Amino acid sequence: GEEVAQTPKHLVRGEGQKAKLYCAPIKGHSYVFWYQQVLKNEFKFLISFQNENVFDETGMPKERFSAKCLPNSPCSLEIQATKLEDSAVYFCASSPRTRGGNQPQHFGDGTRLSIL
Amino acid sequence: SQQGEEDPQALSIQEGENATMNCSYKTSINNLQWYRQNSGRGLVHLILIRSNEREKHSGRLRVTLDTSKKSSSLLITASRAADTASYFCASLISSGSARQLTFGSGTQLTVLP
Repeated sequence: GEEVAQTPKHLVRGEGQKAKLYCAPIKGHSYVFWYQQVLKNEFKFLISFQNENVFDETGMPKERFSAKCLPNSPCSLEIQATKLEDSAVYFCASSPRTRGGNQPQHFGDGTRLSIL
Repeated sequence: SQQGEEDPQALSIQEGENATMNCSYKTSINNLQWYRQNSGRGLVHLILIRSNEREKHSGRLRVTLDTSKKSSSLLITASRAADTASYFCASLISSGSARQLTFGSGTQLTVLP
């Protein structure tokens, strides 16, 4: 598609439950990024993929967070044993393959995760 | 950690006035980008300026980049009520093969009709 599609729009989970978020990047884009936005300002980078391979996972809290981008499937971000502090809006973005990274990223509308 | 700082945090102007937002960053960059976020939505890319460029225009937008001061500014001329949104600068660092953006803290712009 021509837009990054994220589902669901809103996800509510009790503390300790699992949460799984999905992202369909723009067709033909090679890079996928996940960001976490807390309190409407700071965006924190979590992980990036180049096609189905993890490109950079330096932002991932590895104990509970995992992500995949498998061929012919939406990418996913999964949080095990959720905590109150995981409440945030999670954005997915994609960009074309380009030398030097001089391409904008295209963002989805995000998934609002609420942990109760 | 948050690399970029933006000021002001909030800006309120009348329709037709110009709005200027500033952004500072800490490390060497490949490029700097500006995005807009309307309430409840994702980021929309506005403009990208490369590290070897000093100024760029796109419609009513003007972006400057000063790599010696590690700062950038976004000017929106002849503002409209529809420009009301949060504006974020985002830098792509130049070390290694990193492709992720490091965002500033954002400026909430309100344009009053």
